[in-house]
This record gives sequence, C-alpha cells and structure tokens, in this order.
Amino acid sequence: DAKTTQPNSMESNEEEPVHLPCNHSTISGTDYIHWYRQLPSQGPEYVIHGLTSNVNNRMASLAIAEDRKSSTLILHRATLRDAAVYYCILRGGGYSGGSNYKLTFGKGTLLTVNP
Amino acid sequence: NAGVTQTPKFQVLKTGQSMTLQCAQDMNHEYMSWYRQDPGMGLRLIHYSVGAGITDQGEVPNGYNVSRSTTEDFPLRLLSAAPSQTSVYFCASRTIQGVGTEAFFGQGTRLTVV
Repeated sequence: DAKTTQPNSMESNEEEPVHLPCNHSTISGTDYIHWYRQLPSQGPEYVIHGLTSNVNNRMASLAIAEDRKSSTLILHRATLRDAAVYYCILRGGGYSGGSNYKLTFGKGTLLTVNP
Repeated sequence: NAGVTQTPKFQVLKTGQSMTLQCAQDMNHEYMSWYRQDPGMGLRLIHYSVGAGITDQGEVPNGYNVSRSTTEDFPLRLLSAAPSQTSVYFCASRTIQGVGTEAFFGQGTRLTVV
C-alpha cells in the first residue's frame, strides 16, 4: 500500500481556517485520496475524497497538488467540534477481490482547536 | 437510519473466555470489516468480507474468527481472550458499487481482558 505522511499534531484557533497537510509521494495513478476524522471516543467518519481535482463538500475542501504527491485538507472555519484526529488514506481504484476496499490507517494528525 | 450498530459498547472478559462482538448494518452494504485500535495508534484491520459467505484476513487476524451468513451481520469471535486483545474494536461497512464510496463506522466496542 502506498504510504502517507502527516504531522503528528496541529493547533488552530476557533473560527480560523485550518490546513492539514498530507504527503503521499508513492501514490499510484489509480489511488484515491481519502480523509477521515475521529472525534474523541467515536468511530472514524468520512470527510472527503478526491482523485486529481480539488473537491469541496459541506465539511471541508481537498486541495490536491498537480503531481498528486501531496494534498491538503482545508477546514474553512474551525470550530471546537472539529477537534479530532484526521487521517489521510490512499485507496486503490477498481475492484480486486476486496483488498482495494480496505482502508489503511496511520496515526493521523491530532487537531486541537483553541477557543 | 441506524447505520452500523455494534454491541456491546463495553465488555470485560477474563483470560481464556470467549465472546462474540456483534456488528449489524442496515444499508445493504456488501463490504464489512473489523478493526482494532490500541491507545495512541491508528486502526488496524482484523478481517473483512465482500459479501455473504466470503471473508478474508486483514493485517492482525490471529486470535479472531469471523463469518458472514447474511449481508447485514458480521460478528467477530474471540475464541480464547488474551490480555493483548484489550482494545477498542470498530466495525465498518461500505458499498462496493463505485470507487470512492465512503465507509461507515460503528461507535466501537471497548474490550478489556483481565
């Protein structure tokens, strides 16, 4: 599996934008970039995913570098409820017996939001 | 919509005891999986299934058994619990229709083996 590298922790102030980086220099052409987050004492929840183009949804934006070797999850206005561990995960496209559907979690980035 | 439901939420076992962690989803998802999460760590895949009657091993399968007799349910069995299996267990499901589909996770089962 292609590996991702994220900072262990980041800190932000409430109402300010947050840019969470992820490096994935060994990404293959068919790997999708997924972001999940895990709030305290909860299961992970999906945030956003993309392949090549930047993506926006109600939770966040995903900016993908032109060479796809890095990406950035953008929270436009952090709130206290955004304090969580954020995971950047690569998942292969296509179907090959189920192995492409697994999500391989690293340690993620612990985001602290200050009031 | 219940999503992914795990039971129990908490469990304490003695070494050597057996138990089954239950996972049910009501979204008709083909793919289901079990993860464990140890303190300060990311999630590690134990077993997964791409449909009824089909299961496969993940990264850390030793000590765990699974079966998938229906689309909805994917129980995880600990045959002889060990202290090393103290962890938080998460079940997840997703559809295999489409490539970038999101996974849905349960709230977790916190297991302590003494």
